Amino acid sequence: DTGVSQDPRHKITKRGQNVTFRCDPISEHNRLYWYRQTLGQGPEFLTYFQNEAQLEKSRLLSDRFSAERPKGSFSTLEIQRTEQGDSAMYLCASSPGWGQGLLGSGYTFGSGTRLTVV
Amino acid sequence: AQTVTQSQPEMSVQEAETVTLSCTYDTSESDYYLFWYKQPPSRQMILVIRQEAYKQQNATENRFSVNFQKAAKSFSLKISDSQLGDAAMYFCAYKGSQGNLIFGKGTKLSVKP
Repeated sequence: DTGVSQDPRHKITKRGQNVTFRCDPISEHNRLYWYRQTLGQGPEFLTYFQNEAQLEKSRLLSDRFSAERPKGSFSTLEIQRTEQGDSAMYLCASSPGWGQGLLGSGYTFGSGTRLTVV
Repeated sequence: AQTVTQSQPEMSVQEAETVTLSCTYDTSESDYYLFWYKQPPSRQMILVIRQEAYKQQNATENRFSVNFQKAAKSFSLKISDSQLGDAAMYFCAYKGSQGNLIFGKGTKLSVKP
């Protein structure tokens, strides 16, 4: 397993356009997380999945944001009608889930997708 | 709601010296885990060390060790024999019953040769 992969690494888009990011987690991990990180700040939680079920969404995740994890494998994060305030690094991470040693496990992070909205 | 506070936005250390990064947290839970993550410039975040709240013994990983004070809700990271490769952002993180990591704002560590 090569770890958590995110694609693309960088995305520049015009305001108002839609963008979609992809995350491929470690195959054995049931949990998948999306975080947003702005410059000089710590990662902020957006949402997470246990297998294919989206179990929690942060208030940061406005209705312009949607995430999916079909079949409990890869995940996509879509941002519609992008705004300049959406410019950030979007991090994906995976971890073992319930019954796999969830609580004691750290996350494995991907390299992130850096979004710039111009 | 749980919160994590890192009060040192930036720290600097001389190569081969020791530095301590501070972290405090707030929670009403009794069982939880604490983590330190390292994020080098333009590189992915990696786990440095973790501590189980029910363990009194402080965790150590080679040159990295923690000082966990449960009553004070304090979780500091000590880096001994600092190396140039230790330069990075360091994030303290809390994981409780929900299983989600809550991060502090980070401390930028510079290592001077």
